[in-house]
Amino acid sequence: GAGVSQSPSNKVTEKGKDVELRCDPISGHTALYWYRQRLGQGLEFLIYFQGNSAPDKSGLPSDRFSAERTGESVSTLTIQRTQQEDSAVYLCASSPSGQGGFETQYFGPGTRLLVL
Amino acid sequence: AQSVTQLGSHVSVSEGALVLLRCNYSSSVPPYLFWYVQYPNQGLQLLLKYTTGATLVKGINGFEAEFKKSETSFHLTKPSAHMSDAAEYFCAVRGYSGGYQKVTFGTGTKLQVIP
Repeated sequence: GAGVSQSPSNKVTEKGKDVELRCDPISGHTALYWYRQRLGQGLEFLIYFQGNSAPDKSGLPSDRFSAERTGESVSTLTIQRTQQEDSAVYLCASSPSGQGGFETQYFGPGTRLLVL
Repeated sequence: AQSVTQLGSHVSVSEGALVLLRCNYSSSVPPYLFWYVQYPNQGLQLLLKYTTGATLVKGINGFEAEFKKSETSFHLTKPSAHMSDAAEYFCAVRGYSGGYQKVTFGTGTKLQVIP
């Protein structure tokens, strides 16, 4: 399809394990964003990519969280030594250029992470 | 810095009644404002946005929002609620962080439509 896709759609893991979440943006979109949505809360910004560089990592909650992006393609969000408070829906979005401030962000369906 | 406040985490309306979802913002630059909708088990999608020009913005599914600078508000309305409008609605404002655009989202308002 032409939209943003994320995998897996659901992930259950044990506390202390590492997890990788994947995002495939819309083809040609330069900008890519990761957000976290905890139950009953709003969207929490995590990180922003412009191409394969991340000019804004200000939202990453701890050094257990990291993200990479290959060119203007796939991005992976990695959470090491997961904790129960990491349980949330992780949303990925992309936009054509990330500039100007007026672009629509196109969201994927999210990955629902549950840490037991 | 920028921020968004959505008044009311849950709003219930009867089918056919007016929908009003409130959003107030603060921004250190001229604001660009957005409303996104999240239907159950789906990702967010853009409902409407204000950048420049006409302050009354029309979006999909009969929704509209009016930018009021004096009130720093961008409330979302629909004259007549439909059952299919039941969803979570997020207001957002653009800002800048380190020279790059950054969109700050509100905490969301869940709309329940009662038959």
